[in-house]
This record gives sequence, C-alpha cells and structure tokens, in this order.
Amino acid sequence: SQWGEENLQALSIQEGEDVTMNCSYKTYTTVVQWYRQKSGKGPAQLILIRSNEREKRSGRLRATLDTSSQSSSLSITGTLATDTAVYFCASIDRGSALGRLHFGAGTQLIVIP
Amino acid sequence: EAAVTQSPRNKVTVTGGNVTLSCRQTNSHNYMYWYRQDTGHGLRLIHYSYGAGNLQIGDVPDGYKATRTTQEDFFLLLELASPSQTSLYFCASSDLGNSDYTFGSGTRLLVI
Repeated sequence: SQWGEENLQALSIQEGEDVTMNCSYKTYTTVVQWYRQKSGKGPAQLILIRSNEREKRSGRLRATLDTSSQSSSLSITGTLATDTAVYFCASIDRGSALGRLHFGAGTQLIVIP
Repeated sequence: EAAVTQSPRNKVTVTGGNVTLSCRQTNSHNYMYWYRQDTGHGLRLIHYSYGAGNLQIGDVPDGYKATRTTQEDFFLLLELASPSQTSLYFCASSDLGNSDYTFGSGTRLLVI
C-alpha cells in the first residue's frame, strides 16, 4: 500500500513497560488514525491526529505526527495484558473528497503478564 | 448504542457459489465501506458508498459487487465465489468520511 506503510511486525513486552509503534507514509496526509484490533473483533479507533497537530493524548496513549518526515507514532505507557492486540495506523488521502482510509499492515503487540 | 452489525458471522460456500454479506449501521453515518483483511495485506478497500444508491470502487473490487439500499444497509455480493475470496470481511461506517470510523465484527468467508 502507498499509505500507512508500516510492515506487519510483532512486539513482545512485559506488562508495565512502555512501547512505541511507528508508521510512515509516501505522500502527504491530512489525518492519521490509530486502531486496535483484538482477536476475533473488528478494528476499534483509538486516536485521531490531524496534520496541524504534532501530538495527541488519550489516557495512556500518545500519538505523534511529523508531516516533514511523513511519519506517525503511537506510544502506550504502562502496558497491560489487555493491550495485547494488532495496532494499525491509517491515513486519509489529502486529495480524497470521500475520506478514504489507507491502512498499514499493522503491528502485533503481545503484552506478557 | 450506535453500531455496525454484520451478518452472517461465518459463511462457507463452494467455488462458483453466490454469497451476500450484509451490513447495517445505526450511526446515522453517510459513508459505508467494505474491506477485506488478509494476512500480510492488512485491510483493503473493496467498495464504498456515501449514501443510498451511491457506489464507489475501492482498491480491490474485482469479483465483488455492492449495493447500498438505504442509509443503514450496505451489501457485498460475490456472484461467482472463488477460493481467492476466502477472507475476513469488515464493514465500516463513518461521518463525513474522515473521522469517527466504526467497524463491524467481521464475516469470515471460506470458499472451498
């Protein structure tokens, strides 16, 4: 995919640790969204960050957006076993009037209790 | 509670078979989408719509038709199913097409 180009990878960490997942793009985007998908469920939107924002926080989550390097990150502080999931970033095409999302392959996060 | 509901949850069909996947949203969203999810490819957009009667082609439309009959209902049709269409299908809705996406729980389709 041209957008949200993080490769599917797996991260395994201990509960309580902090983790950061990264995402990069080949073209300009207006909005980046981060999603979490637990086993057997559909993706659930976690956080949305717009191109005029550098950082967005929501509870233990922190998203950043660097339009100069066309990259975004999602950090989770004090991870819990329940944070185990696949995390996707998705971007919206600047030229898209219909707000099509383009998803990356995702990062499989495993938090060991 | 606003939601996106997909049916069936699981489906098995034979090659050449006819399959319809259903999606209903109660979010009052204008936009609805069909994605497929396969290992190594993430979520790929098949078709989408911004209102009843409207249809737009996504990134992987071959072999699929879709129909948006009402604001709430969006259907994905596989008229001659092939094994390559074995996948996990998600429906989603959104407001203004660029925020507040809500996904359904998915339909797992197996074509044998």
